[in-house]
Amino acid sequence: QTVVTQEPSFSVSPGGTVTLTCGLSSGSVSTSYYPSWYQQTPGQAPRTLIYSTNTRSSGVPDRFSGSILGNKAALTITGAQADDESDYYCVLYMGSGISDVVFGGGTKLTVL
Amino acid sequence: EVQLVESGGGLVQPGRSLRLSCAASGFTFDDYAMHWVRQAPGKGLEWVSGISWNSGSIGYADSVKGRFTISRDNAKNSLYLQMNSLRAEDTALYYCAREGSDILTGYTLNYFDYWGQGTLVTVSS
Repeated sequence: QTVVTQEPSFSVSPGGTVTLTCGLSSGSVSTSYYPSWYQQTPGQAPRTLIYSTNTRSSGVPDRFSGSILGNKAALTITGAQADDESDYYCVLYMGSGISDVVFGGGTKLTVL
Repeated sequence: EVQLVESGGGLVQPGRSLRLSCAASGFTFDDYAMHWVRQAPGKGLEWVSGISWNSGSIGYADSVKGRFTISRDNAKNSLYLQMNSLRAEDTALYYCAREGSDILTGYTLNYFDYWGQGTLVTVSS
């Protein structure tokens, strides 16, 4: 079974830029997987950031951007702020059926 | 305003059953596929189950297949998850999530655009 991989943790300095990635244990991520990204702070429901690789959800600031980098999907945060310290999850659609949803394990981002 | 409100969680003994509900408002419920996603304490998000707008397509994670049943009542704007033969590893916060679609074509965009606040299920003796 294919696993969606994310860095377990990452750190960034305030004002800095960080890129989180979302890969596959076997194969490459492309736009056909419709990568999406979600932010979750402790005690809160997930917040949708990016869908269809690079489309920002309503109300999401433009310092969040999505892309394909090499063989992975990527979430880049430019000008990191303290309240960006959160867990970030990617989701890939592995096929065409309603069951083909796989979450990555999440990346805990620290801003310090 | 889109709202998804889960209910039905609680403490239940292993092997028993529980039925979760998700009340939807602020959008045309039967235009959208819906999903359940869970999060065990201190763990990541896990997709549990999904259902198309007309219940014609249904899917389950392998971890719950044969024990959980997803359903919806479009007349009541409600989504359900019947959970049977519960196990300790089913302990989690269960979120209801809407599947995003293109506003013009109605085609799925294969992501979750709105989430509820979750309902906690604890399976313990």
